[in-house]
Amino acid sequence: DIQMTQSPSSVSASVGDRVTITCRASQGISSWLAWYQQKPGKAPKLLIYAVSSLQSGVPSRFSGSGSGTDFTLTISSLQPEDFATYYCQQANSFPYTFGQGTKLEIK
Amino acid sequence: EVQLVESGGGLVQFGGSLRLSCAASGFTFSSYWMSWVRQAPGKGLEWVANIKQDGSEKYYVDSVKGRFTISRDNAKNSLYLQMNSLRAEDTAMYYCAREVRGGNLDYWGQGTLVTVSS
Repeated sequence: DIQMTQSPSSVSASVGDRVTITCRASQGISSWLAWYQQKPGKAPKLLIYAVSSLQSGVPSRFSGSGSGTDFTLTISSLQPEDFATYYCQQANSFPYTFGQGTKLEIK
Repeated sequence: EVQLVESGGGLVQFGGSLRLSCAASGFTFSSYWMSWVRQAPGKGLEWVANIKQDGSEKYYVDSVKGRFTISRDNAKNSLYLQMNSLRAEDTAMYYCAREVRGGNLDYWGQGTLVTVSS
């Protein structure tokens, strides 16, 4: 199975900050990488697919980049509604696997 | 509007069985792969299984192979997860999700909670 490792596991930031979350795959996954946002008590929400494509309706302050095994999610200017947990997910091969999550907290 | 509504969760004893359902609406259900994803209390997301549009292909995470069976009824716009030989580590919120563009989960239900206990 492909292991997905996110860093950091948690981060504290302020409204307006730029935040970057990284995700590393244990082997190459081409462009089969997505990012999700999950708020407490809610289902996850797809933010980015195919490394850098923004899902419809997702604000442009979210962006993704990377290739091969190393990927990043960047939030350019944090808004209050962005404080949540973020997960990366690979769909290069079965079983699909998620990173362990990065909790973004208010500083 | 796309909607996915899970049901069938509850409290079950070790070794017991449960069948989860997911009712889909607002899209052509038979045109999409569908997945089940679970989340243990306070933990991260774990993909469980998925099924092709016509049911001809199914994939599972190793930890549920031989115990869980994913199925669908396109005439009823419904997805199912039959869970047998349940273990404590199967305790989780179970979400159904629609797949697009090869493994991206673009719509999720609200989840149904499964608790396995003695």
